[in-house]
Amino acid sequence: LAKTTQPISMDSYEGQEVNITCSHNNIATNDYITWYQQFPSQGPRFIIQGYKTKVTNEVASLFIPADRKSSTLSLPRVSLSDTAVYYCLVGVWEQYSNYQLIWGAGTKLIIKP
Amino acid sequence: AAGVIQSPRHLIKEKRETATLKCYPIPRHDTVYWYQQGPGQDPQFLISFYEKMQSDKGSIPDRFSAQQFSDYHSELNMSSLELGDSALYFCASSLRAATEAFFGQGTRLTVV
Repeated sequence: LAKTTQPISMDSYEGQEVNITCSHNNIATNDYITWYQQFPSQGPRFIIQGYKTKVTNEVASLFIPADRKSSTLSLPRVSLSDTAVYYCLVGVWEQYSNYQLIWGAGTKLIIKP
Repeated sequence: AAGVIQSPRHLIKEKRETATLKCYPIPRHDTVYWYQQGPGQDPQFLISFYEKMQSDKGSIPDRFSAQQFSDYHSELNMSSLELGDSALYFCASSLRAATEAFFGQGTRLTVV
């Protein structure tokens, strides 16, 4: 099972772009990379998912290099409400089994005014 | 849009009691996951179901059991509760072929 490594915490300021990098050296061929956001006492919320190169949606971008051993979540122009824990997950698809989300230690992002 | 519904939102039990947590997945989702998240901890996968059959088992204690019913809702049964079982319990649902899971708001269980 692939494991992920992320910074434990990060600080930034309103209006800045924030990049959170996740390492997943043992990622398997079938694995997708998924990022979730979690506010205190709330269920995690899907942000973005990718397999390779770059993915962009209305809230974030995800950059994945060719070797797929890392990925970077980019949050453009953050606001105070982006203060949360961000989890990088590597999806495991096992034959005859379900996609199982393996949660590592997330990154606590604190946005300052 | 309909989301994952969990009930109850809060539950207080005494040690050695039992508790039942319920999860109602998003309509047409065929897969349900249960997670436990202790204070300041990351979510820990407990168990998952696909089409009413258990599909994956994580770090679920033997004192816990779960099932998925014909209407796809799922229940997590917890017996002989211990203080260490106090946590947020999340349910998530997805389509089997999809790689995005949608989480409920969680049930906060406090064992006293």
